[in-house]
Amino acid sequence: EVQLVESGGGLVQPGGSLRLSCAVSGFTFSSSQMDWVRQAPGKGLEWISYISASGTHVNYADSVKGRFTISRDNAKNSLYLQMNSLRAEDTATYYCATEDDFGEMWFFQHWGQGTLVTVSS
Amino acid sequence: QSVLTQPPSASGTPGQRVTISCSGSRSNIGSNSVNWYQQYPGTAPKLLIYANDQRPSGVPGRFSGSKSGTSASLAISGLQSEDEADYYCAAWDDTLTGYWVFGGGTKLTVL
Repeated sequence: EVQLVESGGGLVQPGGSLRLSCAVSGFTFSSSQMDWVRQAPGKGLEWISYISASGTHVNYADSVKGRFTISRDNAKNSLYLQMNSLRAEDTATYYCATEDDFGEMWFFQHWGQGTLVTVSS
Repeated sequence: QSVLTQPPSASGTPGQRVTISCSGSRSNIGSNSVNWYQQYPGTAPKLLIYANDQRPSGVPGRFSGSKSGTSASLAISGLQSEDEADYYCAAWDDTLTGYWVFGGGTKLTVL
């Protein structure tokens, strides 16, 4: 059974930092592209970051570029999101998700349960 | 404001057929496939339709997707009470380095 479990969320002051983790099992993590998607309270989904299977290629939404860093440890079956210079508008539930393809058509197949990050003084 | 445009709400009675639209542009829906996600309150999104019209195993056949030009649609036939949820469309956007874009979501109410 595929499982993705996020952790590391919590309350942080504006300007602070937080590191999210996503522990996975049930599939070959080292072959999987991964993403982080967030959802502000009562709002829609927002993609924020991507990392290739090897970790060589990364991509970020403009809203987090320069502040967030995605990384992975394939030996530990874990995905990370280092979040610096946090702002109130970063308050959201953060989901990790697998990015899979069907004939080069990509989609988010498996999702974690999410971890809530609250940025407030 | 979301890059993809969805109606904020939709409704139908049990047994009815409901469609939810998703409008984009040439750089996203016009160039790439569309995926749909279903989300119940307080839970993670779940993949409902991928590659425009493909259903993952376990998704009932009454859910179907289509795409034409820069728009896509999700259709739910034989509406059931458990279909009451939020629905999001998503597509890759080729602008600059590329990024994923979502619709703002449609809250489906089963009357």
